[in-house]
Amino acid sequence: SQKIEQNSEALNIQEGKTATLTCNYTNYSPAYLQWYRQDPGRGPVFLLLIRENEKEKRKERLKVTFDTTLKQSLFHITASQPADSATYLCALDGDGGATNKLIFGTGTLLAVQP
Amino acid sequence: DGGITQSPKYLFRKEGQNVTLSCEQNLNHDAMYWYRQDPGQGLRLIYYSQIVNDFQKGDIAEGYSVSREKKESFPLTVTSAQKNPTAFYLCASRIAGVTDTQYFGPGTRLTVL
Repeated sequence: SQKIEQNSEALNIQEGKTATLTCNYTNYSPAYLQWYRQDPGRGPVFLLLIRENEKEKRKERLKVTFDTTLKQSLFHITASQPADSATYLCALDGDGGATNKLIFGTGTLLAVQP
Repeated sequence: DGGITQSPKYLFRKEGQNVTLSCEQNLNHDAMYWYRQDPGQGLRLIYYSQIVNDFQKGDIAEGYSVSREKKESFPLTVTSAQKNPTAFYLCASRIAGVTDTQYFGPGTRLTVL
């Protein structure tokens, strides 16, 4: 069956460290994968998109990798800050980009301790 | 001030009543989406529309209905046929064919008493 899995446990790290979040998927062949940030009681906010032919993408303190062989994406936040505390969702297109529907993971809660 | 608005932010209804959630966008986006989010679960797609006067069912459309009479508006009706309607509802939009990212509204938390 098709599945997207993110770290089910909350991730607690110290301020200044690098946070690494994992997104694994099975039985999908996505054309792209996206990462969103969601704060409690609010809608998700888009952070980064990485396409199947890209290995790595960076934006300021954020870095995303995409390994289509391992069927895995890693999301890194360097020099983390308490303001980075939120739930991070990965999402991929479930049908190779045909209809632009996104399939979302359950999210990983990141808590950055000062 | 461009963006997506959803109203109301909190909504309470009695069991058996239909309720309509509003979603409006002034981003000139072609495609609009409705998701449902429950604790511990990812966003699940209810309905989506890629163009005015056309919409498709998502993964959990039973008990819901939508309309897309205007590009800016995509209201969602939660009917009495929806067995477990209490949830956080999110509306999103995107520019079809230009960008693959979705822009989300602030959400409506529906509680059925």
